[in-house]
Amino acid sequence: DAGITQSPRYKITETGRQVTLMCHQTWSHSYMFWYRQDLGHGLRLIYYSAAADITDKGEVSDGYVVSRSKTENFPLTLESATRSQTSVYFCASSDPTGFYEQYFGPGTRLTVT
Amino acid sequence: DAKTTQPTSMDCAEGRAANLPCNHSTISGNEYVYWYRQIHSQGPQYIIHGLKNNETNEMASLIITEDRKSSTLILPHATLRDTAVYYCIVRSYGGSQGNLIFGKGTKLSVKP
Repeated sequence: DAGITQSPRYKITETGRQVTLMCHQTWSHSYMFWYRQDLGHGLRLIYYSAAADITDKGEVSDGYVVSRSKTENFPLTLESATRSQTSVYFCASSDPTGFYEQYFGPGTRLTVT
Repeated sequence: DAKTTQPTSMDCAEGRAANLPCNHSTISGNEYVYWYRQIHSQGPQYIIHGLKNNETNEMASLIITEDRKSSTLILPHATLRDTAVYYCIVRSYGGSQGNLIFGKGTKLSVKP
């Protein structure tokens, strides 16, 4: 399917487990982003990537790891999940020629018990 | 912290224009005004952006005051599907692509 997809859409995991959230886009956009959204905080940037093999930290990167070996994929890994990482996670992508517009995926709702 | 101030919530009658204000009194000369919206449980959606001139697209119009300290997003004929949280964001051109800072936004409720 064309666009930006996230998987899984819902995930329940236990404290201390490693979990990876997937993001895939079909536009060949160079920029990709991960945000988390919590009640009372709005969306906050976790990591972003300007191109394959180029990543940088956002506002709330502690406890998260990203990689980008292929332009179309940008997985987000929680190395040892904590309850404070219970949130809705959104992936987005953007092309430099459309600098101003970020396209968001449908989100992954993660619960850490 | 977000550089913008928006009302927490607004109501609008279906078919009427929805005018959503945003204050950005500390905006600098190279910063643009962006608007996104988020319909319940979905990812945010880009609406429009501008620097100093008024802008219009198929979704909305953006009116920026001459001193650029405030702006208004106008949805000309609001429908029930426009019920969402609307975010006004100030962002520099050419800065880090990561600097899209979302505040709390305005919850717009369109009523029949």
